[in-house]
Amino acid sequence: GAVVSQHPSRVICKSGTSVKIECRSLDFQATTMFWYRQFPKQSLMLMATSNEGSKATYEQGVEKDKFLINHASLTLSTLTVTSAHPEDSSFYICSGRVSSYEQYFGPGTRLTVT
Amino acid sequence: DAKTTQPPSMDCAEGRAANLPCNHSTISGNEYVYWYRQIHSQGPQYIIHGLKNNETNEMASLIITEDRKSSTLILPHATLRDTAVYYCIVRVATSGTYKYIFGTGTRLKVLA
Repeated sequence: GAVVSQHPSRVICKSGTSVKIECRSLDFQATTMFWYRQFPKQSLMLMATSNEGSKATYEQGVEKDKFLINHASLTLSTLTVTSAHPEDSSFYICSGRVSSYEQYFGPGTRLTVT
Repeated sequence: DAKTTQPPSMDCAEGRAANLPCNHSTISGNEYVYWYRQIHSQGPQYIIHGLKNNETNEMASLIITEDRKSSTLILPHATLRDTAVYYCIVRVATSGTYKYIFGTGTRLKVLA
């Protein structure tokens, strides 16, 4: 199957700083990537849909100025959490769409804001 | 706006079939049902998907009711490594693409 990587796998940052998370499709080109957030013992919640070369589409309730998404190439999308606060601590997971029927997920990034 | 409901947890004896139910009573005619599983602190892993016909692959079988309001994922011979959270997902069309709406998941524990 297709492989998606994320970097870093874990990050700890201080409150008020910004953190960038990278999502890469290693063996396929992903015109569409998705960003999810998962709190402990909860399901995945879609945050935004990222299309290469255009602005991301954010789900209702997700602040686009706080969660900046850039999809500058067919193999890389980035999520920047700006002015992070402890409540932003979560597991962030990206996925890449291979076809209409297939979506492959990355291993996730655990963000802890102190 | 979850479109699926699943039991929160299930146990299954090793070597036996695990049958995981999912209700999706508001599913639309062109919306697919997907199943993924997530082992602790990892990304979800694809298992199987279907529209209205039953499907089978090397991992599992998917049985969809004729009215499409519910489905069952079957792991034919569960092993300890199948212990995970299993998500029943509806794929919905939106703005020229598709997105997944995850359910709450069933935590399956396979017992030795």
